Amino acid sequence: QKEVEQDPGPLSVPEGAIVSLNCTYSNSAFQYFMWYRQYSRKGPELLMYTYSSGNKEDGRFTAQVDKSSKYISLFIRDSQPSDSATYLCAMRGSGSYQLTFGKGTKLSVIP
Amino acid sequence: NAGVTQTPKFQVLKTGQSMTLQCAQDMNHNSMYWYRQDPGMGLRLIYYSASEGTTDKGEVPNGYNVSRLNKREFSLRLESAAPSQTSVYFCASSDRGATDTQYFGPGTRLTVL
Repeated sequence: QKEVEQDPGPLSVPEGAIVSLNCTYSNSAFQYFMWYRQYSRKGPELLMYTYSSGNKEDGRFTAQVDKSSKYISLFIRDSQPSDSATYLCAMRGSGSYQLTFGKGTKLSVIP
Repeated sequence: NAGVTQTPKFQVLKTGQSMTLQCAQDMNHNSMYWYRQDPGMGLRLIYYSASEGTTDKGEVPNGYNVSRLNKREFSLRLESAAPSQTSVYFCASSDRGATDTQYFGPGTRLTVL
């Protein structure tokens, strides 16, 4: 079993839809959870950062962490064509330098 | 403030050739990382440097060497390139602060024939 599982998609939605992206993980030591966005032929950029369980909202983006289920989610409201990218979840343990990434979900938002 | 820069952007090598990928950051970060990204495999850590003067192996270090030249620069060397090293290589740096956010460079696309 991989430490982090992420459905690679591709996921195609109409503009304005609510998008839900998810990752599951097996390592209960993970404490810090991140979502990176990667546009085609670019480097990943940090989108959302969450420590431990709970929700975090930033504009149209909401990150949720459920440590009891070992499940994290990213919601995008009112999706825009500019949201078309690959979304990578990443996580690490407390005091660890090393990030473990999911394989990424490719999202297309159709105008 | 350029963030993380990488050179070259593209490179084609023949099997057995050597090359060095360069990375520099201007954010005064202590930690730097080298990843490779392959289709269906996600990002995998090759080597990292927690601070100037230290380097450690990541998940896939075989066939690579690194040098932390100073606080700003972290290079990745392929001594004898193999087709299996065809990949996109990303350098990243982090501040090792409360969030320890990693900031990525634009990547180097390497093809080994």
